[in-house]
Amino acid sequence: GDSVTQMEGPVTLSEEAFLTINCTYTATGYPSLFWYVQYPGEGLQLLLKATKADDKGSNKGFEATYRKETTSFHLEKGSVQVSDSAVYFCALVNQAGTALIFGKGTTLSVSS
Amino acid sequence: EAGVAQSPRYKIIEKRQSVAFWCNPISGHATLYWYQQILGQGPKLLIQFQNNGVVDDSQLPKDRFSAERLKGVDSTLKIQPAKLEDSAVYLCASITSGRAGEQFFGPGTRLTVL
Repeated sequence: GDSVTQMEGPVTLSEEAFLTINCTYTATGYPSLFWYVQYPGEGLQLLLKATKADDKGSNKGFEATYRKETTSFHLEKGSVQVSDSAVYFCALVNQAGTALIFGKGTTLSVSS
Repeated sequence: EAGVAQSPRYKIIEKRQSVAFWCNPISGHATLYWYQQILGQGPKLLIQFQNNGVVDDSQLPKDRFSAERLKGVDSTLKIQPAKLEDSAVYLCASITSGRAGEQFFGPGTRLTVL
């Protein structure tokens, strides 16, 4: 069945460092892909999305490109801030197009 | 616009007891989801409603879990009897129709089963 694999965390960075969180997927066809973020004490919220191959989703300085050839959707940010400390989840829409399948999440901790 | 509301935020029970969680989705959102998020893992879909009908409950442990969405608005998820492995955060999410990837999540209910 469809699945999402994320790099293990935690990821610990200093402020202004470059961030990459790897995400690969297994799916039938070409599902829409998403990154969700969970800040401490808050609910999950959509960060960015891409609906077809080569699309680049972006929001709040974060970017991810839908790579069909490598079945990947890596999350990047050029300069992280302390406020980016959170848990990041990669997800795809299931084959029926009705629900999300999430990865295990990657915890990011940014220190000043 | 008010977000997805859930209550209670925290619940501690003994194993074999019963517990219920409540969710009020965003007004006008026809589709409602319940997820289980075990510590260190991503959310796992338990059940999906479209209005007051069940779309997918294939991963709901029906011997102990039940859910309903009367009148197509609020929803309740119940566990009876609870087991230790049910300790998790239970998340509710809702969407407007046709946008399954863009879900709005509530803050969750953290359940601890002792």
